[in-house]
Amino acid sequence: DVVMTQSPLSLPVTLGQPASISCRSSQSLVYSDGNTYLNWFQQRPGQSPRRLIYKVSNWDSGVPDRFSGSGSGTDFTLKISRVEAEDVGVYYCMQGTHWPLTFGQGTRLEIK
Amino acid sequence: QVQLVQSGAEVKKPGASVKVSCKASGYTFTSYDINWVRQATGQGLEWMGWMNPNSGNTGYAQKFQGRVTMTRNTSISTAYMELSSLRSEDTAVYYCARTTFDIWGQGTMVTVSS
Repeated sequence: DVVMTQSPLSLPVTLGQPASISCRSSQSLVYSDGNTYLNWFQQRPGQSPRRLIYKVSNWDSGVPDRFSGSGSGTDFTLKISRVEAEDVGVYYCMQGTHWPLTFGQGTRLEIK
Repeated sequence: QVQLVQSGAEVKKPGASVKVSCKASGYTFTSYDINWVRQATGQGLEWMGWMNPNSGNTGYAQKFQGRVTMTRNTSISTAYMELSSLRSEDTAVYYCARTTFDIWGQGTMVTVSS
């Protein structure tokens, strides 16, 4: 199975400051069709996960543009340009390239 | 609007089975696969498997092979996930999610306790 490793696992951030989460995969996530199936999810307390970013860097509808995704191959990053209070929660990366689909362990973002 | 609505919480005894439903609305049910993901309390997300509602084809994570069955009823746009031989470690919130995880159900809490 492809192992997805996130860092850090805990991320205290001051309001208005940037934040960055790393996600590394144990194998390349480039699929045979040329796409890289790497998603980012946000899970607020008590809620279902919500997809923020798909195929590395594409925003989902309604996602604020302070969120951005980047990376390639095995190394990916989710960035928040200026953290707001509503961003508190756990962030997961997930690969959809290899069977079985696998998630990172999650990164808990909190406000300092 | 596009949504997935799941059945309510369940409490089961060890060794029993549970069947969770996931009703789709706002889109053509047979046009999108359904995934099932679970989350133990305070833990991360774990993918269980996938079903194509049009063909009924399924694919399960090896960990759940032999214990999980994913089915559907296209006439009512509903997918089902049945997990058998329940043990305490299966206590979790179970989610359904559309093909590329753009739409998720609200989750169903399954508690396994004697």
